[in-house]
Amino acid sequence: GDSVTQMEGPVTLSEEAFLTINCTYTATGYPSLFWYVQYPGEGLQLLLKATKADDKGSNKGFEATYRKETTSFHLEKGSVQVSDSAVYFCALSDQGGTGGFKTIFGAGTRLFVKA
Amino acid sequence: GAVVSQHPSWVICKSGTSVKIECRSLDFQATTMFWYRQFPKQSLMLMATSNEGSKATYEQGVEKDKFLINHASLTLSTLTVTSAHPEDSSFYICSPKQDAFFGQGTRLTVV
Repeated sequence: GDSVTQMEGPVTLSEEAFLTINCTYTATGYPSLFWYVQYPGEGLQLLLKATKADDKGSNKGFEATYRKETTSFHLEKGSVQVSDSAVYFCALSDQGGTGGFKTIFGAGTRLFVKA
Repeated sequence: GAVVSQHPSWVICKSGTSVKIECRSLDFQATTMFWYRQFPKQSLMLMATSNEGSKATYEQGVEKDKFLINHASLTLSTLTVTSAHPEDSSFYICSPKQDAFFGQGTRLTVV
């Protein structure tokens, strides 16, 4: 079945460092890919998405490119801030077996940014 | 964009009692509501999908008699954890549209 694998955390960076969180997926169809962010004590917020190969999603300085050839959707940011400290989830949405769409989440990567 | 309001944000209850969690879709007609559970340091796992005016569909391994879901209108879906036990302690999150909107979550602690 479909799955999402993302790098284990926690990831600890200093402010203004470059961030990469790796995410790879397996899917039988042509999924849409997402990154969500979860701040402490809060629900998920959609950070960015890409719906087809070679699309680049971007938001708040974060970006990720849908790479079909490597089945990857790595999250990057050029200069992180303390306020970026959160848990980041990679996810895919694909046609489920019953005909409806299902969203499958990776395990999440916790990011700590030090001042 | 749509706003999803989940209530309560956190709740502590005694073992054996029931807890109701409400999920309101304030400006989005939610014909479907997805209910997730998230254990500490783990990812979200889909528990069930509720459909307005009909029975919910539960994922494998989720007890439908323990996690009662009601979706009576396009703006409100509720999840009731019946006869709660400490192992039910978790973060519960609802979503009317999985690729866009999520509630802020309800942290349930059963003591």
